[in-house]
Amino acid sequence: NAGVTQTPKFQVLKTGQSMTLQCAQDMNHEYMSWYRQDPGMGLRLIHYSVGAGITDQGEVPNGYNVSRSTTEDFPLRLLSAAPSQTSVYFCASSHRTGGTEAFFGQGTRLTVV
Amino acid sequence: RKEVEQDPGPFNVPEGATVAFNCTYSNSASQSFFWYRQDCRKEPKLLMSVYSSGNEDGRFTAQLNRASQYISLLIRDSKLSDSATYLCVVNQGGNYQLIWGAGTKLIIKP
Repeated sequence: NAGVTQTPKFQVLKTGQSMTLQCAQDMNHEYMSWYRQDPGMGLRLIHYSVGAGITDQGEVPNGYNVSRSTTEDFPLRLLSAAPSQTSVYFCASSHRTGGTEAFFGQGTRLTVV
Repeated sequence: RKEVEQDPGPFNVPEGATVAFNCTYSNSASQSFFWYRQDCRKEPKLLMSVYSSGNEDGRFTAQLNRASQYISLLIRDSKLSDSATYLCVVNQGGNYQLIWGAGTKLIIKP
């Protein structure tokens, strides 16, 4: 059972470039989310989805898009990378609401130069 | 004021000692509480949920104080392998969003 698979692990982008971070889970979880983690700060929610076809914004959505065409996949798109988006990104999934355990991907270390 | 606050540490503790962390939360409507562990350059993993009556899992004890709006984590007989960052997490209920503290770094020294 793979759990949450997130790719790539590392990425360097130039300012203005776009890219997609991939996230897939095989646990049939309804809820998926994307976070960024910066030094000295807690995980901040970027976007989340409560099921296929349903997405919503979190705390810091600007500059990012998501889609949820299937239960398994929840890609995160950076539209035009900026140095402020240098961070570690985590995808997470859980079975239902925020009251249950969240499972995380291994993270993506993104540097925008 | 941050919604979930933790002392960032680091806590430098000798092996075998007992260490305790506190975490305060601002929203009195919060309903679910968790401690996650995050090793260096790794993803967070659930350590334990925190119940109103308090709960224990081996060397780890978690407690909730709703009146004062804080949760605590106690680690007894600390091991070198306990070195990590401990994240306090709160769910405010009625939605799917978890609110994360910035974490407390623990370093266990031989």
